[in-house]
Amino acid sequence: QQQVKQSPQSLIVQKGGISIINCAYENTAFDYFPWYQQFPGKGPALLIAIRPDVSEKKEGRFTISFNKSAKQFSLHIMDSQPGDSATYFCAASTAGGYQKVTFGIGTKLQVIP
Amino acid sequence: DTGVSQNPRHKITKRGQNVTFRCDPISEHNRLYWYRQTLGQGPEFLTYFQNEAQLEKSRLLSDRFSAERPKGSFSTLEIQRTEQGDSAMYLCASSLETTNEKLFFGSGTQLSVL
Repeated sequence: QQQVKQSPQSLIVQKGGISIINCAYENTAFDYFPWYQQFPGKGPALLIAIRPDVSEKKEGRFTISFNKSAKQFSLHIMDSQPGDSATYFCAASTAGGYQKVTFGIGTKLQVIP
Repeated sequence: DTGVSQNPRHKITKRGQNVTFRCDPISEHNRLYWYRQTLGQGPEFLTYFQNEAQLEKSRLLSDRFSAERPKGSFSTLEIQRTEQGDSAMYLCASSLETTNEKLFFGSGTQLSVL
């Protein structure tokens, strides 16, 4: 059972464009929603995260939008750069206690010059 | 380098052999996790340690898998009688109890079972 559904699985964006990745979750016990960035041969690295008490969080060119009623959240990468080319995972967990994180399937982003 | 260190980076083995991987977490982190990532998928939780205590094991962790963290510092993951389905990237992550949600992942050990 895929508890965090992510789309698209691959995405090609031109340099300077906006990359948008969408996720939906099923378990209403989730209350922490991180995004991870993974480069080939490396482990995932925490990029940005949001809790359900806010609808949007922005850090630099990266923004998470969160819709609690729809159980959906998305990552927007503004002014996408070739260096952003990586695989992005949305994820969900419960903030209290240890981090048994449920990951989405991943989106392979390619930013072309 | 003060990040999470995993060794070896790559392991090729024949079916039926035993393998052991090592993870050295960030030194002050008392929480340690093992995840498994197969090609084209997100990481899946395997097990969690709080200091030296193993507090949860996923049903993905069959009896052939065992993990230890004997002194609450480094951890080992052993797979006995490997099967081709065990081929995956095994990721270790650590965190501080006080900044719980911030997981720091290592670069993983890529296991190929022939």
